Amino acid sequence: SQKIEQNSEALNIQEGKTATLTCNYTNYSPAYLQWYRQDPGRGPVFLLLIRENEKEKRKERLKVTFDTTLKQSLFHITASQPADSATYLCALDGVTGGGNKLTFGTGTQLKVEL
Amino acid sequence: NAGVTQTPKFQVLKTGQSMTLQCAQDMNHNSMYWYRQDPGMGLRLIYYSASEGTTDKGEVPNGYNVSRLNKREFSLRLESAAPSQTSVYFCASSPPGSWGQPQHFGDGTRLSIL
Repeated sequence: SQKIEQNSEALNIQEGKTATLTCNYTNYSPAYLQWYRQDPGRGPVFLLLIRENEKEKRKERLKVTFDTTLKQSLFHITASQPADSATYLCALDGVTGGGNKLTFGTGTQLKVEL
Repeated sequence: NAGVTQTPKFQVLKTGQSMTLQCAQDMNHNSMYWYRQDPGMGLRLIYYSASEGTTDKGEVPNGYNVSRLNKREFSLRLESAAPSQTSVYFCASSPPGSWGQPQHFGDGTRLSIL
């Protein structure tokens, strides 16, 4: 069956370090992969989208890589700050039949400590 | 900008009661979605509407019905609530385009079924 895996254990890092979150998937070849941020009590907020033919995408302190051979995306936050503490979700486009439907991973909680 | 607005924010129901969750977006988006989010399960698609007048089932549609009232509004109805439907429900919308459009989420309705 199709599966999206994100590390369920929280990631604790020190302020100023680079946080790296992983999204692995099996049994599918998505055209797009998206990353979202979710704060407690709020809905997810879109951060970045990367296409299958793109290796890397950057936006300010954020960087996403997409390796379709390994079936893996890495999400990096450089110079992390306590305000980056949140749960980060990856989502694959078209897993359940195409179009704009997304299938989400369970998310990884990031805690940035002073 | 309001974005995606969900009402109510919180609700407690008794088993067997019915309820309609409301969602409205002011971004002129074509597609709208209903998800539920449960601990350890991630976001799961219940129903979606690619455009006004069309709806289709997602991953977990049983026990729910939807209505795309107009381009702005997409409601989710529980006809006979069950404790298994206790969850946080999110509505989302996305702009026109066949692939890879980011989704914009509301802040959720927290629903408890006793």
